[in-house]
Amino acid sequence: QITLKESGPTLVKPTQTLTLTCTFSGFSVSTSGVGVGWIRQPPGKALEWLALIYWDDDKRYSPSLKSRLTITKDTSKNQVVLTMTNMDPVDTATYYCAHWPGALTFDSWGQGTLVTVSS
Amino acid sequence: QSALTQPPSASGSPGQSVTISCTGTSSDVGAYNYVSWYQQHPGKAPKLMIYDVTKRPSGVPGRFSGSKSGNTASLTVSGLQAEDEADYYCSSYAGSNNFEVFGGGTKLTVL
Repeated sequence: QITLKESGPTLVKPTQTLTLTCTFSGFSVSTSGVGVGWIRQPPGKALEWLALIYWDDDKRYSPSLKSRLTITKDTSKNQVVLTMTNMDPVDTATYYCAHWPGALTFDSWGQGTLVTVSS
Repeated sequence: QSALTQPPSASGSPGQSVTISCTGTSSDVGAYNYVSWYQQHPGKAPKLMIYDVTKRPSGVPGRFSGSKSGNTASLTVSGLQAEDEADYYCSSYAGSNNFEVFGGGTKLTVL
């Protein structure tokens, strides 16, 4: 059974850097084809894909946010970390991590974590 | 503004069928057979319902089906049930640069 859980601050100030950790079980991010992605959802709005890291450390970023995002993985800890710099109130959203099984889809999602950006 | 266009709302009575559209471009939906559909109940995480345009993950009822024609993908829910009331999002692989794009979501109401 695959499970994922996001953790990190619930409140950050404008201009600060957000660091979120996805801790997962039930799969290994060193398995060929597998990846972990991050998706966010502002309150009452649509999903937005942010970033994905593959088993071989290849990384993909949303073109509109690429300059602010960094995704890394720690295979030994079963964790993937997303950092987003220069946070703004418009970045207020629930942030999800999700399992990318090798098929081009997200088949298991974490419960999400709400991050509010406010001074 | 989302990359893929969905109607904001859809509705149907129990037992009826409803179809939700998802319109993209020749760079995403039209270019690849990698469209997914997610169901999201209020306050919950999205759940994968359809992937690769037509495939259902294990455990998803056969009432849910997907299709695609040109730049438009569709999700059909047959035999509507009360628990199908939720938001539905489509997504598509969009190549190595844009990678994955989502639709704006459709709120399905079971009357």
